[in-house]
Amino acid sequence: DVKVTQSSRYLVKRTGEKVFLECVQDMDHENMFWYRQDPGLGLRLIYFSYDVKMKEKGDIPEGYSVSREKKERFSLILESASTNQTSMYLCASSRDRGGQETQYFGPGTRLLVL
Amino acid sequence: AQRVTQPEKLLSVFKGAPVELKCNYSYSGSPELFWYVQYSRQRLQLLLRHISRESIKGFTADLNKGETSFHLKKPFAQEEDSAMYYCAMEYGNKLVFGAGTILRVKS
Repeated sequence: DVKVTQSSRYLVKRTGEKVFLECVQDMDHENMFWYRQDPGLGLRLIYFSYDVKMKEKGDIPEGYSVSREKKERFSLILESASTNQTSMYLCASSRDRGGQETQYFGPGTRLLVL
Repeated sequence: AQRVTQPEKLLSVFKGAPVELKCNYSYSGSPELFWYVQYSRQRLQLLLRHISRESIKGFTADLNKGETSFHLKKPFAQEEDSAMYYCAMEYGNKLVFGAGTILRVKS
C-alpha cells in the first residue's frame, strides 16, 4: 500500500510565524501535491512537483512556497502565516506525471493561525 | 476556465433509496474524470475513474459528453456510504476538484 505521511495532524501558529508542513511518501512516486481543503471550496491546488527540485504553481500559490530536495519528501512553507491560511492541508502523491494517475493522499494537517 | 461543479453541498437519503451525486464539468476536450471519497476520520481516496468503467462499492458513473456531466449513482444506498464525495477532472497534469457533496444515509 502507498503510504503518504504528514508531519503533524494539528498545528497552532501565530500570525507572522514561518510554518513548515512536511510530507513523505514511500512508493517512489514522481509527483507530489499540496492542496488546501476548505468547506464549500473543495480542494484547491497550491503547488505540485513532478521531480526533485522541480515545482509548479497550482491555483492558489500566493503566500506559500515549496521545497523538494529528495524524491520522497515535499515541504510546504508559509513564509509569514496569516489568519486566512487557517485550513486543512492535504498532501498527495502519484506514480507518474499526468493528471490521470491515481493520487494517494496523506491524513491532512489542520492548521490554525491565530 | 476549467471547472468542476457539484451543485449539492449536502444530499440526505434513506437507506435503500437510490443515490445520485451530480457533477458537471467545463472543458472543451475529452477529460479524464474521477470520484474521490473521504469517509469520517479517513483520508481522501479514489473511488472510481471514468476510464476504468468499473463499479466500486455498487457505485457507477457515466460520462455524458453532451451534458458535460459525470454523475455518481448507486441504486440502493447503505449507511456506510455516508461520506464526503469529490468529483475531479484531469487537466494539464493535475486534478481540478469540485467543492464536494456530503452524502448522509439515514436508517
